[in-house]
Amino acid sequence: DAEITQSPRHKITETGRQVTLACHQTWNHNNMFWYRQDLGHGLRLIHYSYGVQDTNKGEVSDGYSVSRSNTEDLPLTLESAASSQTSVYFCASSESTSGGPDTQYFGPGTRLTVL
Amino acid sequence: AQSVTQLGSHVSVSEGALVLLRCNYSSSVPPYLFWYVQYPNQGLQLLLKYTSAATLVKGINGFEAEFKKSETSFHLTKPSAHMSDAAEYFCAVSDRNAGNMLTFGGGTRLMVKP
Repeated sequence: DAEITQSPRHKITETGRQVTLACHQTWNHNNMFWYRQDLGHGLRLIHYSYGVQDTNKGEVSDGYSVSRSNTEDLPLTLESAASSQTSVYFCASSESTSGGPDTQYFGPGTRLTVL
Repeated sequence: AQSVTQLGSHVSVSEGALVLLRCNYSSSVPPYLFWYVQYPNQGLQLLLKYTSAATLVKGINGFEAEFKKSETSFHLTKPSAHMSDAAEYFCAVSDRNAGNMLTFGGGTRLMVKP
């Protein structure tokens, strides 16, 4: 069955370190998204991609970057981790269809703690 | 800009009672609307979505939601709560001019008492 996976599921790191969170989907979806989930804020969009070599900034992109070199993967990099980036991170993907709305399918999440 | 407000960060109901989770949205154009559910330590799962085909939308697990344009609301209901419904529920809006991007509400945690 097609799926979307995230790794690691849990990560503890120190302030200032570079961290990369992986997201892999086997649906062959063009669209991929990264969100962070914090209490009281729901999910907020960090970055998104509509296809290979395409990346766009979301609502809370400062301190994060993504790259899309193939259809299946959209890794999220924290260039220099900060305590404010302690959160649960979700990756999602959707198929591009005309007329919408496209359903986003979510991964299981990565819990990141920055000490 | 679009936004979503979910009234009540926590809702508690007794098993068998009506579930009502409130969602109001603002959007400059007719929106697409979604309800997602998140069980503990899991990702989000789609419950239902409004596509403008019908104002009353039926979803999985006995949930349904009604789109009311005059009230800019998309409240989620279930006639009889089950213990397994305990989870966090998110309402989301997608602007038809904004591609596939979703804007989420803050979430409502549903607790079901035996």
